[in-house]
Amino acid sequence: GIQVEQSPPDLILQEGANSTLRCNFSDSVNNLQWFHQNPWGQLINLFYIPSGTKQNGRLSATTVATERYSLLYISSSQTTDSGVYFCAVEGEYGNKLVFGAGTILRVKS
Amino acid sequence: DTGVSQDPRHKITKRGQNVTFRCDPISEHNRLYWYRQTLGQGPEFLTYFQNEAQLEKSRLLSDRFSAERPKGSFSTLEIQRTEQGDSAMYLCASSLPGAGVTFTEAFFGQGTRLTVV
Repeated sequence: GIQVEQSPPDLILQEGANSTLRCNFSDSVNNLQWFHQNPWGQLINLFYIPSGTKQNGRLSATTVATERYSLLYISSSQTTDSGVYFCAVEGEYGNKLVFGAGTILRVKS
Repeated sequence: DTGVSQDPRHKITKRGQNVTFRCDPISEHNRLYWYRQTLGQGPEFLTYFQNEAQLEKSRLLSDRFSAERPKGSFSTLEIQRTEQGDSAMYLCASSLPGAGVTFTEAFFGQGTRLTVV
């Protein structure tokens, strides 16, 4: 099945810094989503981005489907950005999202 | 619309007991998914439904796990004869179908955290 790799596994930032999280996937995808998992375990939708670029406030994402990667940019980070960020993809044959192992982000004040 | 709702939020059970979790999807979503997440890992797919039909259940972890969606609305996930290794977060998601076998954006509930003692 499709493989999803996220990097870096851990990231510590000072408040106000910018960061880039990467998601590589091993095959063609129909669907790609970025999530933020809060301390209570809920997965919050950030982007639904099978291809192209989207922006939402301080966050933006770019997916280059032909090169099988996606990037999540966080600018001017805040302590509330801390948590785990997951990339999940739906492979070409559909049916389900396959998750990466996540990036743990810690933003210090 | 209040999003995907799961109940209970937390469950502590003794080894060997049966447990059942409920998921109410977003009302117009006819696809419903169950995932399991253990500490430090990403969510792992278990099964999914389109309306009341269970279209993939090969990832259900053993025959102690079963899921139903009898009227194509809410779903239940049952674990029989629980074991300590079943301790995890169980997540439910829903979406609309896309073209062919694909689907549109999936939304997750708050999860049910199971602890087996």
